[in-house]
Amino acid sequence: QKEVEQNSGPLSVPEGAIASLNCTYSDRGSQSFFWYRQYSGKSPELIMSIYSNGDKEDGRFTAQLNKASQYVSLLIRDSQPSDSATYLCAVEGVGGTSYGKLTFGQGTILTVHP
Amino acid sequence: GAVVSQHPSRVICKSGTSVKIECRSLDFQATTMFWYRQFPKKSLMLMATSNEGSKATYEQGVEKDKFLINHASLTLSTLTVTSAHPEDSSFYICSARALAKNIQYFGAGTRLSVL
Repeated sequence: QKEVEQNSGPLSVPEGAIASLNCTYSDRGSQSFFWYRQYSGKSPELIMSIYSNGDKEDGRFTAQLNKASQYVSLLIRDSQPSDSATYLCAVEGVGGTSYGKLTFGQGTILTVHP
Repeated sequence: GAVVSQHPSRVICKSGTSVKIECRSLDFQATTMFWYRQFPKKSLMLMATSNEGSKATYEQGVEKDKFLINHASLTLSTLTVTSAHPEDSSFYICSARALAKNIQYFGAGTRLSVL
């Protein structure tokens, strides 16, 4: 059973702070990792994809991947109230019947308060 | 780019009727589309994988006769909920995997309410 675990929330940060979201996965062979943002009542929206160890930055978002530790994280700098949402970590399957399928974590609810 | 259109966005129907949901990739070709179901305050649950020109593959516990999937072209997949019952009420979301990319783009979702 391939698993994706996210740090339990909800997470509350003040406006302007850094929000840190964490995710671990069980399939050591995984190569593709994604962070999606989901507002209440809406479908997921892709924020970041990461495939190589290290950091990947896009605006206020930085994804970090450590395949040896089977760990992927998302940092949101200068958090804004509009960042308040559920953040979903997703890992793509690599072999057999899992190929191309995303396994999602349970999601972390982030609230950014003014 | 990478727009996935899903409609209808909301359906309210009587128990026993069938409901069809369409998922279209508007600006790219998708050999594979996925159908998910999401209950309130829960994460997405994959129901089935839809491949163009072949039969869909269903996840364990998903009734293939209940949830009919057709992927007739590289840009269109449909999910039909047959003989819907109140327990089928949920948020259904499709995604399309872009050819030559390994990124899934999601439709806006369909909220189904069965009375």
